[in-house]
Amino acid sequence: ETGVTQSPTHLIKTRGQQVTLRCSSQSGHNTVSWYQQALGQGPQFIFQYYREEENGRGNFPPRFSGLQFPNYSSELNVNALELDDSALYLCASSTDGYSGNTIYFGEGSWLTVV
Amino acid sequence: AQSVTQLGSHVSVSEGALVLLRCNYSSSVPPYLFWYVQYPNQGLQLLLKYTTGATLVKGINGFEAEFKKSETSFHLTKPSAHMSDAAEYFCAVRVGGSNYKLTFGKGTLLTVNP
Repeated sequence: ETGVTQSPTHLIKTRGQQVTLRCSSQSGHNTVSWYQQALGQGPQFIFQYYREEENGRGNFPPRFSGLQFPNYSSELNVNALELDDSALYLCASSTDGYSGNTIYFGEGSWLTVV
Repeated sequence: AQSVTQLGSHVSVSEGALVLLRCNYSSSVPPYLFWYVQYPNQGLQLLLKYTTGATLVKGINGFEAEFKKSETSFHLTKPSAHMSDAAEYFCAVRVGGSNYKLTFGKGTLLTVNP
């Protein structure tokens, strides 16, 4: 149990639709990051939010966007869904400070695009 | 930019045998190194991490890893495999600064035979 909760756990969307995934970070953590894990691959960094501001982004198009709220919970939004967006989306939280801090992952949201 | 290479996408051992999962990294600055485990249909759980100090790091469930700078390696070992160790294992690297991005390897699937 990492204290990071995600919803929904599973969902199916049609190509072209939009999806919102939600994440509640561990208590006391002000940094949230999102990762995409395609089947058989390692997680890929999408972006990171620190105190409600995006401060790092991976190689993902602008149709992947996010928000972080004052309570440090977060949303990942994906517009114009494509079949290749089918993946496990992982939310992770951590405290600020030095980069040796542990990043704690949630159980993930499984997205299937048909 | 940093990168991680996990040698062997699939490792199979007998119960009670030594587990050795290989990880090599590339980084232009001193790295922080992590091993995560992922059980089927679950998120990522931290096994152990190296930040600074002692190069032999002990983690949960009897796992340990040794940071070897000269070999740019961070191999994961366990003296005696248990059936419950069957899972996917990911090595990850992070470098200093405010960006907490983790760069993952592609993972190694460990199977344990009775």
